[in-house]
Amino acid sequence: DIQMTQSPASLSASLGETVTIECRASEDIYNGLAWYQQKPGKSPQLLIYNANSLHTGVPSRFSGSGSGTQYSLKINSLQSEDVASYFCQQYYDYPWTFGGGTKLELK
Amino acid sequence: EVKLQQSGDELVRPGASVKMSCKASGYTFTDYAMHWVKQSPGQGLEWIGTIIPLIDTTSYNQKFKGKATLTADKSSNTAYMELSRLTSEDSAVYYCARRGGIGTTSNWFAYWGQGTLVTVSS
Repeated sequence: DIQMTQSPASLSASLGETVTIECRASEDIYNGLAWYQQKPGKSPQLLIYNANSLHTGVPSRFSGSGSGTQYSLKINSLQSEDVASYFCQQYYDYPWTFGGGTKLELK
Repeated sequence: EVKLQQSGDELVRPGASVKMSCKASGYTFTDYAMHWVKQSPGQGLEWIGTIIPLIDTTSYNQKFKGKATLTADKSSNTAYMELSRLTSEDSAVYYCARRGGIGTTSNWFAYWGQGTLVTVSS
């Protein structure tokens, strides 16, 4: 199975700040990567797919980048509604696997 | 608007089975595969399997073979997952999630149900 390692596991940032979350795959996943946001008590919501494509309705302050085994999610100008957990997922090879998550809090 | 409505939370005895549903609306049910995902505090998010309703084809994470059975009813636009021989390890929230695109490589999870909490306890 492809292992997905996210960092950091938790993050504290101020409103307006730019935040970056990293995801490393155990092998090349050829941009088969998605990012999700999950707020407490809610289901995950898709933010980014194909490493850098923004899902419909997602604010443009979210962006994804990377290639090979290294990917990142950037949130520009952090808003209060961005407080959530974030997960990466690879869909290059079976079984599809997720990162362990990053919990983002306000400083 | 795409919507996935899952059945209610379940409290089940160890050794029993449970079957949960996921009713889809807002798109053509047979155009997209449906994934199922487990979320538990200890194991995070895990992909269980996928069903293609158009041709009733399933694929499973090896870890969940024999544990989960996926089916779909095209007449009611509903996907189902049955979990068998339940233990405490199966206590979790289970989500259905629609495949992102029509293509077979579009295996991101574009839309999610609200989740079904399964608690296994005597």
